[in-house]
Amino acid sequence: DAKTTQPNSMESNEEEPVHLPCNHSTISGTDYIHWYRQLPSQGPEYVIHGLTSNVNNRMASLAIAEDRKSSTLILHRATLRDAAVYYCILWAYGQNFVFGPGTRLSVLP
Amino acid sequence: DTGVSQDPRHKITKRGQNVTFRCDPISEHNRLYWYRQTLGQGPEFLTYFQNEAQLEKSRLLSDRFSAERPKGSFSTLEIQRTEQGDSAMYLCASSALNIQYFGAGTRLSVL
Repeated sequence: DAKTTQPNSMESNEEEPVHLPCNHSTISGTDYIHWYRQLPSQGPEYVIHGLTSNVNNRMASLAIAEDRKSSTLILHRATLRDAAVYYCILWAYGQNFVFGPGTRLSVLP
Repeated sequence: DTGVSQDPRHKITKRGQNVTFRCDPISEHNRLYWYRQTLGQGPEFLTYFQNEAQLEKSRLLSDRFSAERPKGSFSTLEIQRTEQGDSAMYLCASSALNIQYFGAGTRLSVL
């Protein structure tokens, strides 16, 4: 069973920021927060991951709540190519990824 | 730059037939994973190799399923006596550390 909760779907306008939330109230101290996305007809693609501190990379930013019970994936300027299913996953060394149904992001032109 | 490749991309078979899928991981990755994904769901873990050793199998992996990774390079997933419920996308991923890189998957349709 997935240990994270995400909204089923979200919409965004092109070139606007998108904030994708994820709740993980049962997170343990050794769990990393990973985000992957899956574009149509493709396998999942790594986006970003973090443990306690906020993280930035060329694709996105990850904001982690101080109590680590929630996190937000931030796409700074959504493009049509960002339309995908976004998965928030808790992972610790020695464990396998458990994917939930994710959030389906639609980007409107 | 070659990522994870899977072959074939699509497979249509009749119920009761055997099918085999191949996965070629990123060359320096020692870990290889198989997942199954049905429509509207996230991928479900099936099995995991570290080099040539199969270290974990999900209870989803019935006796009709077998996976191998000879010499710790490519891997094959075989399904014997396919059933309609086996229709799904089969995904392969590889990793060196804690980031998994996925192939595009093999879509299996069992008629």
